[in-house]
Amino acid sequence: DAGVIQSPRHEVTEMGQEVTLRCKPISGHNSLFWYRQTMMRGLELLIYFNNNVPIDDSGMPEDRFSAKMPNASFSTLKIQPSEPRDSAVYFCASSLRYTQYFGPGTRLTVL
Amino acid sequence: KNEVEQSPQNLTAQEGEFITINCSYSVGISALHWLQQHPGGGIVSLFMLSSGKKKHGRLIATINIQEKHSSLHITASHPRDSAVYICAVDSNYGGSQGNLIFGKGTKLSVKP
Repeated sequence: DAGVIQSPRHEVTEMGQEVTLRCKPISGHNSLFWYRQTMMRGLELLIYFNNNVPIDDSGMPEDRFSAKMPNASFSTLKIQPSEPRDSAVYFCASSLRYTQYFGPGTRLTVL
Repeated sequence: KNEVEQSPQNLTAQEGEFITINCSYSVGISALHWLQQHPGGGIVSLFMLSSGKKKHGRLIATINIQEKHSSLHITASHPRDSAVYICAVDSNYGGSQGNLIFGKGTKLSVKP
């Protein structure tokens, strides 16, 4: 199995632009998680889905962030409009039961 | 106060030393996870435990539910063990996975 796939791996954009991060979970996994990691705050859960349904989005910072999971093999995290404080590494993880498998992350820089 | 506290924040050891990283938490949990983040940024799940002790190679993880404390031990440490070790707790009851709360991590550097 290829593991969790995220794209792009690096994204540099300007303030105000829309950013879309993509994630393909491991086939057969029924839960998907989006995390953000910064030096100041460490790892934080943004949102997670179970069987494609959003279960807990309390970690989503504000309305500029949205996440979708249209099917079991694909999820997106969108930031619109982006701001410099959104600069971070965004990880996607998937799991079947308890162990979460992390993707390589997307390093986002908002100038 | 953070719900998950790790100590130490930074740890430098000589190759071969026995290493202990501690994690204390203040919430009720259904499971505790230990993760390893490599210098390149990738994150790997090492252990998930809800009681007792687990061992994998040179790594041992223990948890004391009553004391709300877990430890990660590395025996015969090696420079390739250099990484950030992150403790995370799952506060969802009923055995369902979900919202992980992370510690800030312990940065381990093992010198040859």
